[in-house]
Amino acid sequence: NAGVTQTPKFQVLKTGQSMTLQCAQDMNHEYMSWYRQDPGMGLRLIHYSVGAGITDQGEVPNGYNVSRSTTEDFPLRLLSAAPSQTSVYFCATRPGQMNTEAFFGQGTRLTVV
Amino acid sequence: AQSVTQLDSQVPVFEEAPVELRCNYSSSVSVYLFWYVQYPNQGLQLLLKYLSGSTLVKGINGFEAEFNKSQTSFHLRKPSVHISDTAEYFCAVRKGTGGGNKLTFGTGTQLKVEL
Repeated sequence: NAGVTQTPKFQVLKTGQSMTLQCAQDMNHEYMSWYRQDPGMGLRLIHYSVGAGITDQGEVPNGYNVSRSTTEDFPLRLLSAAPSQTSVYFCATRPGQMNTEAFFGQGTRLTVV
Repeated sequence: AQSVTQLDSQVPVFEEAPVELRCNYSSSVSVYLFWYVQYPNQGLQLLLKYLSGSTLVKGINGFEAEFNKSQTSFHLRKPSVHISDTAEYFCAVRKGTGGGNKLTFGTGTQLKVEL
């Protein structure tokens, strides 16, 4: 049982490049989310999904796209990377009930130069 | 909108001493409250959660937290810390009704346990 798997763990991009951060879960959770973690700012919600085919914006969605074609996968796309997107990205999942905690992946450390 | 305040960005403490990490939240509706711990280069791991019922919640690794509705606080405590407790701790809140999947985090408190 792998839980929440994020790939890659580390990535360096040049400004303007595109890439996709992968998130896969094997817990059959309905909810999936992407957060970014920056020093002194805690974790901020980028996008989230309440089920396959449904996504919505979080607190800091600009510059990022998501899709949810299956329950298991929730990729995060950077179409044109900017230095301001240098951060650690976390994917989280949880069951559909409101009174449940989120389970986090190990994170992807992204540097945009 | 809900918000979470962790007033202390860093808390140094000697091993075997008690510690309290403070968390205050703002919300006009009922909430679910969580404390997560993040060890270096790791993801977040749940320490404990308050959903309803008893205001004193016990978690893993000897940590506990008390929900105080009148003061809108959810402070984390441990009576005797160990060097292995050195990590960053995040308080988080989710609305009990509505709000979707939105878990709002505080800015974190770095706990440094010294010998």
